[in-house]
Parts: sequence; C-alpha cells; structure tokens
Amino acid sequence: SQTIHQWPATLVQPVGSPLSLECTVEGTSNPNLYWYRQAAGRGLQLLFYSVGIGQISSEVPQNLSASRPQDRQFILSSKKLLLSDSGFYLCAWKGQGGYEQYFGPGTRLTVT
Amino acid sequence: SQQGEEDPQALSIQEGENATMNCSYKTSINNLQWYRQNSGRGLVHLILIRSNEREKHSGRLRVTLDTSKKSSSLLITASRAADTASYFCATGSSGIAGGTSYGKLTFGQGTILTVHP
Repeated sequence: SQTIHQWPATLVQPVGSPLSLECTVEGTSNPNLYWYRQAAGRGLQLLFYSVGIGQISSEVPQNLSASRPQDRQFILSSKKLLLSDSGFYLCAWKGQGGYEQYFGPGTRLTVT
Repeated sequence: SQQGEEDPQALSIQEGENATMNCSYKTSINNLQWYRQNSGRGLVHLILIRSNEREKHSGRLRVTLDTSKKSSSLLITASRAADTASYFCATGSSGIAGGTSYGKLTFGQGTILTVHP
C-alpha cells in the first residue's frame, strides 16, 4: 500500500533562517506531487506541483522554492524565512490516471 | 485563488442528526471532491463525483452535484461525535485549451463540523 511521510512534524525557526521540509512517498511510481500551505482555519493554497523528477511548477510568487531530486521525494525550501511563511505545510501525491490526492500528516512551521 | 466557497463556515449538531454542507464554485470542472481534516492532521479523501454525475453515495455520505448551478452538497447521515472535523470541497478542472491541469485541485475554505454526543 502507498504511504506518504513528511518531516519534521513541527518546526520553530527564527526569521531569516533557512528551511527544508521533506516529503517522501512509498508504494507508487511516477506520482504527481504537490505542496500546499494552510493558514489557520482556512483552506489550502497550492504552492508547487511536480509531474516528474526535476520538473517543478510554481503557483504563487513567494519566498519558497521546491525541488524533486528523486521520483518519490519532494522538498520545500527557503533561503531566508519570513514571518508570513508560518503555517501548516501539506504534501500530497496523486497517481497517474486518478483524480484523488493523498495527503501527508503535515508540518507545522512557526517563524518567530 | 480559492474557487470553492463553502457554506456554512461552521455547523454544530447533535449526534444522530444529519449534517449538510454546501460548496459553490466558479469555473468549469471535470470533478469535485470532498475531503475531511481532523484538527492538526492531513486531509483524507472522502468521495469524488465527476462532472457527468449528479449523485453519489458512500456509506453514510451522499454527494450531489449541480453543474448548472455550479454547486455541490455533502450530506452526512446519522452523524457521530467522531465525524467532528473540517470538511473541504475541492474542484479539478480539465485544463486549458485541451491541455492537462496536472491534477491540480482548488480547495474551498471549509466547513467546521462539530457533533455533540
């Protein structure tokens, strides 16, 4: 069966520090991968998606970047965090031929 | 941008009652999905309805879709305290000019459902 992992689960970082969040998927090949951010009590905003290794599309201009170094690995990064980067970050995958997305447990990021 | 708008924003009911949540969207879709999120957790896929379908059932869930009104509803029958969560609709489009949308979804703001025992 397929599983998706995200780490860390929680993170507190000072303004101006770098960021690296990792997402890995098991049990499937060539998934579409997605990074979302969720502000408190609100819906999800799509940040990046990837349809293959090295292929990244950005949905909104921001202080973040994404990379996909391996088929089932998706990384969200920042060189210098802003206060506004705080939020709940969710990674999701979708199989080829399907519409449903499957989400990881999320990372709670607090920038202080 | 957020395409789906959900109504109500919050819903509080007693165990055993039915819960109905509504979702409206703005552009053409090829599918609409409902997800559930427990506090502080990831989202869990509940049910998908395609644009050529009008109603779908899964256990205690019933989803309807009216593409002419660009709206959908999720009904949870005989609710339980364990149904307490946030519920989100998400729309998927078929892409622009025949191209692919890469499975991107646009989520609504969600409905917070509280079921009291």
